[in-house]
Amino acid sequence: ETVMTQSPATLSVSPGERATLSCRASQSVDSNLAWYQQKPGQAPRLLIYGTSSRATGIPARFSARGSGTEFTLTISSLQSEDFAVYYCQQYRSWPLTFGGGTKVEIK
Amino acid sequence: EEQLLESGGALIQPGGSLRLSCAASGFTLGNYAMSWVRQAPGKGLEWVSAISGGGYTTYYADSVQGRFTISRDNSKSTLYLQMNSLRAEDTAIYYCAKDLAATAGYYFDYWGQGTLVTVSS
Repeated sequence: ETVMTQSPATLSVSPGERATLSCRASQSVDSNLAWYQQKPGQAPRLLIYGTSSRATGIPARFSARGSGTEFTLTISSLQSEDFAVYYCQQYRSWPLTFGGGTKVEIK
Repeated sequence: EEQLLESGGALIQPGGSLRLSCAASGFTLGNYAMSWVRQAPGKGLEWVSAISGGGYTTYYADSVQGRFTISRDNSKSTLYLQMNSLRAEDTAIYYCAKDLAATAGYYFDYWGQGTLVTVSS
């Protein structure tokens, strides 16, 4: 099983600032990495797939990069609606696995 | 607009059984693989099971293998999860999620709002 580890667990950021979230895989997942955003009481929403491709309707302030075992999601200028929990997910191999999440909170 | 609506969640005693349903609309269910993903209270996401678009191939997490069965009826645009021998650790919100393609094993571009399963005596 590929274990996904996200850091930090919590990130305190002021509105308008940049946030950088990390995701590490226990073995290479190539570029088979997705990111999701989840707000309280809501289902997850797809943000990024294929490591760096934005899903439909996702603003350009969300960007992502990486390959193999190290990945990052960057939110260039945090808006109020971006405060949420973010999960990475690998789809290189079964079972599909998620990271533990990073909560982005208002500083 | 693509929509997924789960139902069937309930309070159930340990050892009991439950069947969840996920009704799809706005797209042709048979063209896509589907998964169930769960989230225990206050915890992260855990993939549970997947099924290919035609229903011929299924996958399970080790934690549910042998107890849960995923199935689908494309003529009814509905996905199912039969859960047997339920344990306290199965308590979670269960989401159905639409895969990228008919072959399972990708990321999920649409999610339902979830249905809560509570296993407790």
